[in-house]
Amino acid sequence: EIVLTQSPGTLSLSPGERATLSCRASQSVSSSYLAWYQQKPGQAPRLLIYGASSRATGIPDRFSGSGSGTDFTLTISRLEPEDFAVYYCQQFGSSPEWTFGQGTKVEIK
Amino acid sequence: QVQLVESGGGVVQPGGSLRLSCAASGFAFSYYAMHWVRQAPGKGLEWVAFIRNDGGNKYADSVKGRFTISRDNSKNTLYLQMNSLRAEDTAVYYCANFRYVSGSFDSWGQGTLVTVSS
Repeated sequence: EIVLTQSPGTLSLSPGERATLSCRASQSVSSSYLAWYQQKPGQAPRLLIYGASSRATGIPDRFSGSGSGTDFTLTISRLEPEDFAVYYCQQFGSSPEWTFGQGTKVEIK
Repeated sequence: QVQLVESGGGVVQPGGSLRLSCAASGFAFSYYAMHWVRQAPGKGLEWVAFIRNDGGNKYADSVKGRFTISRDNSKNTLYLQMNSLRAEDTAVYYCANFRYVSGSFDSWGQGTLVTVSS
């Protein structure tokens, strides 16, 4: 089973700053099958990025994804107040298998 | 628009059973693989089970042999039968639809809380 490790666990930033979140896989992941989700308290997760770099419908362009192989990154170019949340990466493997990272919390500094 | 509405959660004693439902609308349910994903209080997301449109399925090791996923395409409804429940099964359970082409969970329900406690 592929394990996804996200870092940092918590990111303390101010509105307007840039956020860089990391997702590292224990084995190579197909870029086609790496996704990122945002979750706010009391809400369901929301798909942000699929295929490592494609934005889901309605997602602002301040969110971008990149990476390949075992290292993937979610970047929020300028944090808006509504972006403070927990972010999860997720991969889909051929077994088939589905795994999530443990999450990165982006909090207001 | 896509809607997924879970129901059936509640408080159950250890060893008990519960059946969750997920009513789907706004998309061609019978063509989609569907999943259950859970989240223990204060914890991250954990994949639980999957069912293809033809009924093929797979389970996380933590629930294998205790949980059964099923679907009724005529009712656009997904189910999760949970038996032999344990305290560690306490979580919010989400249903989600899955797109193979992107490998992602496109839409999620609001979740239903299952609490296993004596």
